[in-house]
Order: sequence, then C-alpha cells, then structure tokens
Amino acid sequence: ETGVTQTPRHLVMGMTNKKSLKCEQHLGHNAMYWYKQSAKKPLELMFVYSLEERVENNSVPSRFSPECPNSSHLFLHLHTLQPEDSALYLCASSQRGGGEGYTFGSGTRLTVV
Amino acid sequence: QKEVEQDPGPLSVPEGAIVSLNCTYSNSAFQYFMWYRQYSRKGPELLMYTYSSGNKEDGRFTAQVDKSSKYISLFIRDSQPSDSATYLCAMGLDTGGFKTIFGAGTRLFVKA
Repeated sequence: ETGVTQTPRHLVMGMTNKKSLKCEQHLGHNAMYWYKQSAKKPLELMFVYSLEERVENNSVPSRFSPECPNSSHLFLHLHTLQPEDSALYLCASSQRGGGEGYTFGSGTRLTVV
Repeated sequence: QKEVEQDPGPLSVPEGAIVSLNCTYSNSAFQYFMWYRQYSRKGPELLMYTYSSGNKEDGRFTAQVDKSSKYISLFIRDSQPSDSATYLCAMGLDTGGFKTIFGAGTRLFVKA
C-alpha cells in the first residue's frame, strides 16, 4: 500500500465515548500532521510531529490527544468530545517542513452526537 | 484581516473554458505557494508549488504568483468535468517551518 492511509473513514461517537483515529504513511516522510477541516473554513493545523517529536500544538483542547510511536504512524485519541468537534480530520505527511507539499490521507469523517 | 483570502464560489463553467482561481494574502514574507485539489470525500492533493514570482506551467495548469500585489492564481485550460473539485491555495514562510496557511477553498463545477 502506498501514500497515507487513515482509518476509520467514518466515525460516529457519543460525547462520553473514547475513540482513536489512526494514520499510517508509506512514503518515508519524516513529519506527520493532524488537520481539522470544517465546512467553508480553512484547514486548521492541530498537531505536528517531526521525527516522532511533537513540534507544534496549536492550542488544541485536551480532549484531543496525539500519539506518534514511530515515523510511520500517528494516532489521535478522542475523549469527551463536543458536537462542534464534528468535522473531517485529515492526516498528512511531508518531507522536512512541508514547503514542497503535503500528502494527505482521505480523512476520517467524525460526527459527535 | 485573514492571512489568506479565497472566494468560496461556487464557480460554474462550461467544459472547455479557461478557469481562473485566485487568492490574496496579507503577509509579504510568505516564501512558498501551493495549490491543492480536493475531490468530494477525499483529502487534498498537491497540484503545484512554487517559490518565486512569475508563472509555472504543468500540462493544463498554470500557477501564477505576483508578490508585489500579494496575489496568486491558478489557471486551468480546456477545463474538463473531471476538474470539478474544491481548489485550495496554501502558502508559508519557511519550507522547514511546518506551518502552511490554507485558504478556505473555491468550489469549481465544470459542466459537460
């Protein structure tokens, strides 16, 4: 398999649930990202990992918790979410800082009920 | 003022038309500029990137950057129904800095 793979594609969860999103990249990139995409809004950067170390945390609420066990895998752990957290969550990877472009996964469509 | 402004559209054109998509930005220090295409239920896909003012061509696509006006454009020649998608502009300060700023996207429909 090539590119960036995200699972699950769709997720419906209650506000008291705990779930995790998974991302895997097969490109040999050294940086991985979580972005949130809401309707008619720009992509919002949530977290960045470079060489498995977190280098950016864009004031994201603590109910979102990232984990990067190695340079190919990235997780986003979710707990006690709010309905306004419903969105498309995109994982991306890049070589270096992304100035030559990101490769995105297809995203997880999250609905919080 | 937003760092990057992009008209959300939708923009509807007939097949074969030349499409012009645009973004303006406020930070004159931006060094790199990109265009992504996003189909429904998919992640964004990088179309083109450039580091300098002027034009860059790739097949039917031409990216144009005017740093003096803080304005970037993407032109699509001979547009096809398969070009129907949302187009996102993106830009950043430092290729190693991990912070790319995205526009909200323009929705394009190309009618057969």
